[in-house]
Amino acid sequence: AQSVSQHNHHVILSEAASLELGCNYSYGGTVNLFWYVQYPGQHLQLLLKYFSGDPLVKGIKGFEAEFIKSKFSFNLRKPSVQWSDTAEYFCAVNARQAGTALIFGKGTTLSVSS
Amino acid sequence: DGGITQSPKYLFRKEGQNVTLSCEQNLNHDAMYWYRQDPGQGLRLIYYSQIVNDFQKGDIAEGYSVSREKKESFPLTVTSAQKNPTAFYLCASSPRLAGGWNEQFFGPGTRLTVL
Repeated sequence: AQSVSQHNHHVILSEAASLELGCNYSYGGTVNLFWYVQYPGQHLQLLLKYFSGDPLVKGIKGFEAEFIKSKFSFNLRKPSVQWSDTAEYFCAVNARQAGTALIFGKGTTLSVSS
Repeated sequence: DGGITQSPKYLFRKEGQNVTLSCEQNLNHDAMYWYRQDPGQGLRLIYYSQIVNDFQKGDIAEGYSVSREKKESFPLTVTSAQKNPTAFYLCASSPRLAGGWNEQFFGPGTRLTVL
């Protein structure tokens, strides 16, 4: 069965610090990978996704993620965080075949102090 | 505006009562999903449907039921058999594109509190 592991439950950073959130998945086949973000009081929204091609993908608001197939990882990065990045971040994966739902990690809460 | 609507935003029910959460989408998406979000647990899949009149159980389907009579609607009933129903419920939908199912789009959620 597929599973997703997010390494950090709660990350606290000061503004302008660099961010890296870890995500590992377990599945032997081809996968689609996603990072979603949930800002306080808002919908869950897509930050970025990887289906194929360049393993370094760029998303909204300066976020990027790198797919490392050999490590089954899809870590999220941002070089300089802002207070407005305070949110909960979810990594998700699904098998690249029709009809499979997303499997989510447990989420990482990011708190950025100004 | 295209999107997913869930109603109501907040819902209170007495223990032992069934309650139905609404989810409607006007994105013309084939697939729809229900997740439950609890603090520190992430999102857990309850049910999903890829096509009208068909649906599959997710990881935590016990105590829940769904129907998919129309493409745009996927209501979730939380029955009295669900042991711990107080939670935040999220509905999502996704289009079916070549190569498999695409990203999911989420509604604003319904917070259910059972008293």
